[in-house]
Amino acid sequence: EAGVAQSPRYKIIEKRQSVAFWCNPISGHATLYWYQQILGQGPKLLIQFQNNGVVDDSQLPKDRFSAERLKGVDSTLKIQPAKLEDSAVYLCASSLWGARNTEAFFGQGTRLTVV
Amino acid sequence: TQLLEQSPQFLSIQEGENLTVYCNSSSVFSSLQWYRQEPGEGPVLLVTVVTGGEVKKLKRLTFQFGDARKDSSLHITAAQPGDTGLYLCARKGGGADGLTFGKGTHLIIQP
Repeated sequence: EAGVAQSPRYKIIEKRQSVAFWCNPISGHATLYWYQQILGQGPKLLIQFQNNGVVDDSQLPKDRFSAERLKGVDSTLKIQPAKLEDSAVYLCASSLWGARNTEAFFGQGTRLTVV
Repeated sequence: TQLLEQSPQFLSIQEGENLTVYCNSSSVFSSLQWYRQEPGEGPVLLVTVVTGGEVKKLKRLTFQFGDARKDSSLHITAAQPGDTGLYLCARKGGGADGLTFGKGTHLIIQP
């Protein structure tokens, strides 16, 4: 079974530029999450989708971050404009919907460096 | 925000030694998950504990959920270099089921 696919693996941009990350979840997984993991810390949830609807985006900096999940499958996360403090690994995860203790499967992440 | 405190933050030991890492909170969890993350990879689920006092074993790893469901521990017996990684505990959020993670324990097992 194919895992969660993310691209690109690495991205270096200058501050104030824009960047987009792409995620393809495991087939059949209705729930998709984007996490931000700053060096030395655990992942922080940015946004959760249920099919193509947003369930939780309370920690998403909406002035510069946006995300969409068209057709309830692939998702993109965009940052515009980027700041130095956005340097982090951006992880996408997916899970089956419904069970409270459902396992979340993570992609390898995109490492973003803002200079 | 219900924080998860993990300790120690860093641990470096020799192959063959035993170790225990901890995950604590002031709040009660309905369930807790442990993940391991290797460099350049996403976290991978090791175990989910649900019942207070529950003990689960995964080969040389033993996971325990506190009786009051406010803390958990992970014990590794006879650590091996392959156990090296970042060990994260996580709980489900209040409304939605996105995970809230601790900062993790960085574990290095030296040959």
